[in-house]
Amino acid sequence: AQSVAQPEDQVNVAEGNPLTVKCTYSVSGNPYLFWYVQYPNRGLQFLLKYITGDNLVKGSYGFEAEFNKSQTSFHLKKPSALVSDSALYFCAVIKPGSARQLTFGSGTQLTVLP
Amino acid sequence: GAVVSQHPSWVICKSGTSVKIECRSLDFQATTMFWYRQFPKQSLMLMATSNEGSKATYEQGVEKDKFLINHASLTLSTLTVTSAHPEDSSFYICSARDKEGSPLHFGNGTRLTVT
Repeated sequence: AQSVAQPEDQVNVAEGNPLTVKCTYSVSGNPYLFWYVQYPNRGLQFLLKYITGDNLVKGSYGFEAEFNKSQTSFHLKKPSALVSDSALYFCAVIKPGSARQLTFGSGTQLTVLP
Repeated sequence: GAVVSQHPSWVICKSGTSVKIECRSLDFQATTMFWYRQFPKQSLMLMATSNEGSKATYEQGVEKDKFLINHASLTLSTLTVTSAHPEDSSFYICSARDKEGSPLHFGNGTRLTVT
C-alpha cells in the first residue's frame, strides 16, 4: 500500500498567485513528513519537515506546509508564486518504527507561468 | 547547511565496463547513506541503504552483485555499477543524514549513460 500520495502530476499557477501542492499519507502513528524540491538534473533540496509541535511548518524560499492529522494531509503552500519556483516537488514520509527510510510520493511538477 | 557532494555529475561508459560514483558528506558525519535511481519523469526508487562499516541493505529487485555499495567511512559512500548495460542508464542520486529524523541531504545526482 502506498504510504504517501501526491494526487496531481502537474500544477500550473500564474506568477503572484498562491500555490498549493497536495500530499496525503496513509501510515499509522505519528509519521515524520518532508517536502523536497528537485530542479532539472539535480538532486533534491530539503524544503521543510514536520516532526512534532506546531502544525504549520515554515520552510525555505517562503514555502510552508500544514500538517492535518484528521485529513492525513501535508499540503505545501506558498502565498505568492515565482517563476523560479517551477520545479518537481516530492512529499516524503518516514514511517515510525520502520527501517527509518524515506518513502517518496510520485512527485508533482509545478509550473509557474509569467 | 549540510552539503552532500556527488561525483561525477555525468558519465558515459561503454557496455561491459564498470563505473564508480562517489557520495561525500562535506560537513557532517553521515551514519546512513541512501542510493536512489530515478527514471525520467518518475519518482526516486530506493536502491539500497548503507550504514558506515556494515554491509548495505538492498531493496527487493536490486542486484547487489551489480550495484556494489561501500560505506567505508562516515563521510564517503560509493556505488559501483559493474558490467554496465544500456538499461542501467539512469540518474543516480545519493543522500545522507546524521541521525534518524533529521532531513536527508541529497547529492546533485549522476547522469549515467551506457552506450
